[in-house]
Amino acid sequence: DGGITQSPKYLFRKEGQNVTLSCEQNLNHDAMYWYRQDPGQGLRLIYYSQIVNDFQKGDIAEGYSVSREKKESFPLTVTSAQKNPTAFYLCASSIWGVTEAFFGQGTRLTVV
Amino acid sequence: AQSVTQPDIHITVSEGASLELRCNYSYGATPYLFWYVQSPGQGLQLLLKYFSGDTLVQGIKGFEAEFKRSQSSFNLRKPSVHWSDAAEDFCAVGAHTGTASKLTFGTGTRLQVTL
Repeated sequence: DGGITQSPKYLFRKEGQNVTLSCEQNLNHDAMYWYRQDPGQGLRLIYYSQIVNDFQKGDIAEGYSVSREKKESFPLTVTSAQKNPTAFYLCASSIWGVTEAFFGQGTRLTVV
Repeated sequence: AQSVTQPDIHITVSEGASLELRCNYSYGATPYLFWYVQSPGQGLQLLLKYFSGDTLVQGIKGFEAEFKRSQSSFNLRKPSVHWSDAAEDFCAVGAHTGTASKLTFGTGTRLQVTL
């Protein structure tokens, strides 16, 4: 079945550590996105990529980094510079030029 | 830049009652509009979308929404709510430029259904 796979589902990190969230899609979509979700704030765009080896900052990119070496994969690294990383992270993908997005099941990151 | 306002943070309805969730958007051109639903701890599932044409769009699970350009609104409706509709619903507006396609979400409305 085609879809978007995020792993792990739950992730715990100590303060000061970097951590990488995985996102893989087999929908053959060109565009991929990372959103952060906090209670009462909806979804906020972190980074997005329209094609391989290219990506742009979204609204809240500080403290995050991404790569897009393959069409299928768009990993997100939460760095130690992110001051409040505890949140629910959602990955999405879409056909280029079409804004309808398909979402993964999310990763809940907790800093301990 | 586009924006979305969902004025109702939390709505409670009785099973079998009708439902309307409000959504207002701001965008300079003709918008692409979406409603997504999220169960706790899960990703988002598309309920319905409006790109052009008929302003009343039908979606999954018996939901519908009406695009009203004069009011900049895209309210979600359902004639008879089921207990399984309890979830969080998000309205979103999509924008596509020559180089990017992006969705902007509202803050969501949590729907509670009483039996």
